[in-house]
Amino acid sequence: GAVVSQHPSRVICKSGTSVKIECRSLDFQATTMFWYRQFPKKSLMLMATSNEGSKATYEQGVEKDKFLINHASLTLSTLTVTSAHPEDSSFYICSASRIAGSYEQYFGPGTRLTVT
Amino acid sequence: SQQGEEDPQALSIQEGENATMNCSYKTSINNLQWYRQNSGRGLVHLILIRSNEREKHSGRLRVTLDTSKKSSSLLITASRAADTASYFCATPRGGGADGLTFGKGTHLIIQP
Repeated sequence: GAVVSQHPSRVICKSGTSVKIECRSLDFQATTMFWYRQFPKKSLMLMATSNEGSKATYEQGVEKDKFLINHASLTLSTLTVTSAHPEDSSFYICSASRIAGSYEQYFGPGTRLTVT
Repeated sequence: SQQGEEDPQALSIQEGENATMNCSYKTSINNLQWYRQNSGRGLVHLILIRSNEREKHSGRLRVTLDTSKKSSSLLITASRAADTASYFCATPRGGGADGLTFGKGTHLIIQP
């Protein structure tokens, strides 16, 4: 149990276009999901906390108009990178907590975004 | 320095040897977690140790936590080639189900 999926696993897009990444908890309900970004050979940086039915909470320095997050249901959160630029190229990983208030998080397999 | 810094940044050992990675953090925590990441993949949760615990075991993994020194260590015994991966420590950013602050990670290579 506690499986988190992401789609797509890999995407290449042109500058100026928007890309949507989906994060799904397959066998549990997640009231809270998290979005991280990871640069090559670097650590993960928390971008935002996504709560079902409410607005996402963004970390300092993360542009909320550029990285749109929607948590439409207890099993789905989406991250849309709007007007993508090459510097947005990165590995995006989502995670979810299975139990409310639990510290343990389950991570998706990640999405490799390349903006040309 | 950043919260949750691992040391060493890279470690290469022979299969069968033990691997030890260390992590330091800055703020007070109620737990610390270790994750593994294979190249280009998502993270796998390895173990969580609470602030009132000093040591925890899970299979070939042993984690220690010293809250007075704000440090933790991860020991992998009898290493295998499949243990080759990056290992990160992570601490909660606040109470409850908060996002995590990750360390820089240790890239472990097990030579067959």
